Amino acid sequence: AQKITQTQPGMFVQEKEAVTLDCTYDTSDQSYGLFWYKQPSSGEMIFLIYQGSYDEQNATEGRYSLNFQKARKSANLVISASQLGDSAMYFCAMREGTTSGTYKYIFGTGTRLKVLA
Amino acid sequence: DTEVTQTPKHLVMGMTNKKSLKCEQHMGHRAMYWYKQKAKKPPELMFVYSYEKLSINESVPSRFSPECPNSSLLNLHLHALQPEDSALYLCASSQDSLSVATYEQYFGPGTRLTVT
Repeated sequence: AQKITQTQPGMFVQEKEAVTLDCTYDTSDQSYGLFWYKQPSSGEMIFLIYQGSYDEQNATEGRYSLNFQKARKSANLVISASQLGDSAMYFCAMREGTTSGTYKYIFGTGTRLKVLA
Repeated sequence: DTEVTQTPKHLVMGMTNKKSLKCEQHMGHRAMYWYKQKAKKPPELMFVYSYEKLSINESVPSRFSPECPNSSLLNLHLHALQPEDSALYLCASSQDSLSVATYEQYFGPGTRLTVT
C-alpha cells in the first residue's frame, strides 16, 4: 500500500507567486517525521524542511513552509515567492520503523514544478 | 558542514567489469544509505548501514555488494551488472537510524551509472 502519496505529477507556477505541493501519508506510528526534498536536474537531493508528528507548529524554513494537518494525514509544502531556480522535482518522504529496529525513509512519487517567467 | 561526497560522478561499465562507487561523509553520522534512482522515479532504498553494520538489505541482487570500512566511508561494489542497472546511485547519511528521534538525511550528488 502506498504510504506517501503525491497526486500532482506536474505543476506550473508564475514567478513570484506561491505554490502548494500536496503530500498525504499513511502510518500507524504515533511518532514519525515528514520531510521534503528538492531534486534539480543535476540529480542531488536537497533537504528542504522537516515536520515532526508532535510538533505543535508548522515548520518553516525561509520561503518554505509545511502545512501539517495531522488528522487529515497531510503535509503539504508551500513555496512562497517562487523563483526560476525553484524549478525541480520535489519529493515528500517519511521516516518509518522496520521489523529489524532500523528506521528507513520512504518517498512519494514526486511532483515536477516548473516556474514560469 | 552537511556535505556528502560521491565518486565518480559518472561511470560507464561493461557487463563483465568490476567497479566500485564511493561515498564519504564527515558529519559524524552513524547511518549511511545507498539508493538507486531511475529517471522520473523516486529513490529506491538498497542498503542501510547502522554503526558500520548492514542493517537493511532490500533484497538487492548479489551483483551489488556494499561495504562500510569505517563510520565515514561507504562503498558499493559492482560486478556483472545488467543494462537495466543503469541509474543514478545516491548515497545518503543521517545522524542515526536506530533512534526513535527523527533525523533528516543528507544526500550526495550521486553517480550516474551506465551499463553497456
